[in-house]
Amino acid sequence: AQSVTQLGSHVSVSEGALVLLRCNYSSSVPPYLFWYVQYPNQGLQLLLKYTSAATLVKGINGFEAEFKKSETSFHLTKPSAHMSDAAEYFCAVGTGSNYKLTFGKGTLLTVNP
Amino acid sequence: DAGVIQSPRHEVTEMGQEVTLRCKPISGHDYLFWYRQTMMRGLELLIYFNNNVPIDDSGMPEDRFSAKMPNASFSTLKIQPSEPRDSAVYFCASRGGRGADTQYFGPGTRLTVL
Repeated sequence: AQSVTQLGSHVSVSEGALVLLRCNYSSSVPPYLFWYVQYPNQGLQLLLKYTSAATLVKGINGFEAEFKKSETSFHLTKPSAHMSDAAEYFCAVGTGSNYKLTFGKGTLLTVNP
Repeated sequence: DAGVIQSPRHEVTEMGQEVTLRCKPISGHDYLFWYRQTMMRGLELLIYFNNNVPIDDSGMPEDRFSAKMPNASFSTLKIQPSEPRDSAVYFCASRGGRGADTQYFGPGTRLTVL
């Protein structure tokens, strides 16, 4: 079985501040990990993914995430928040060749001017 | 490519009516997934297909829900009869063949059952 826990349903930062969105996973086999972003009234868009290559993964819009097996974490970061980053972010874990994903509950990111 | 296409984008219906949601996956993708998103339960996988065959429908909430994939370019999710608690956003996603590990999501269908 696999599961994902996103710590903090709502994170608020100031424009230019560091963004840190937390994700912890549980998986009985080596996982594949994903971060998706959802803007209002839109579908989910892939930000980045970890699939057993480099543990530090860079994605779109300046985001990156580090896979830490010892901590079962895959936290998402961005050095400097922009107003356009305001959205909901989902962490997901997948295993097996079917890549069936289990999603976290999501974290709503608010960026204040 | 146009991405995953879903129709309608919005659907408002009355309790007891039949609802059909449609999805066209990205051409060449062999996996198709149906999800439901609600405030209370988040994003839930309902069913997924591989090469048009349903593989896992354990997430389908009850017999009122059914899904089909008659060919590689079309899938439907049907609710009959619909109930107010079915109100949610329904997403379709597709994934490419061997080595393609990413699911690509459509824009969703917002369903409101009155």
